[in-house]
Amino acid sequence: AQTVTQSQPEMSVQEAETVTLSCTYDTSESDYYLFWYKQPPSRQMILVIRQEAYKQQNATENRFSVNFQKAAKSFSLKISDSQLGDAAMYFCAYRSAYSNYQLIWGAGTKLIIKP
Amino acid sequence: DSGVTQTPKHLITATGQRVTLRCSPRSGDLSVYWYQQSLDQGLQFLIQYYNGEERAKGNILERFSAQQFPDLHSELNLSSLELGDSALYFCASSATSGIYNEQFFGPGTRLTVL
Repeated sequence: AQTVTQSQPEMSVQEAETVTLSCTYDTSESDYYLFWYKQPPSRQMILVIRQEAYKQQNATENRFSVNFQKAAKSFSLKISDSQLGDAAMYFCAYRSAYSNYQLIWGAGTKLIIKP
Repeated sequence: DSGVTQTPKHLITATGQRVTLRCSPRSGDLSVYWYQQSLDQGLQFLIQYYNGEERAKGNILERFSAQQFPDLHSELNLSSLELGDSALYFCASSATSGIYNEQFFGPGTRLTVL
């Protein structure tokens, strides 16, 4: 069974600085999708970025980028120029490309932005 | 706004009771997923429906059941409620049950069992 691990329960960063959130996963599958979701205090789940396992190029979305290391089964999220609105819980999630398309989630990292 | 709606937003009930949570997917989405998020934890997959049929099942308790209706809205029924069922219940939808379509989440229903 696939598992997703986020080893940082909480991270803090100064406004305008860069922060990296870690995520590792375990799978025996060769094709899958990885996601980062943001959950602000409103509790809405918002997709931040996604990565397809067969693509070697790391995904980027404006200030958000990932470092995808398939061999190491690592999928970290880098947030550049951190803003107060980035404060939220961040969840890493895995989805198989073969069956059972539900998302498998990490426990989350609480990101605190210091003004 | 993701386009996925969930009602009610909040629900407070007592142990032993039964409740129904409702989800309307985005227009055109055929697949609906239900997830449970207990306090300060990640989400746990409960069940998936695709065009009215159950497609996948996760760690859903026997006290819980769901269905998807012909108009594609879905309901999650929770019965014989226990204190531990208190959680945020999310519904998500995607265009198909295939692999290329992301899941869009509703705002969630917060269930409190007293």
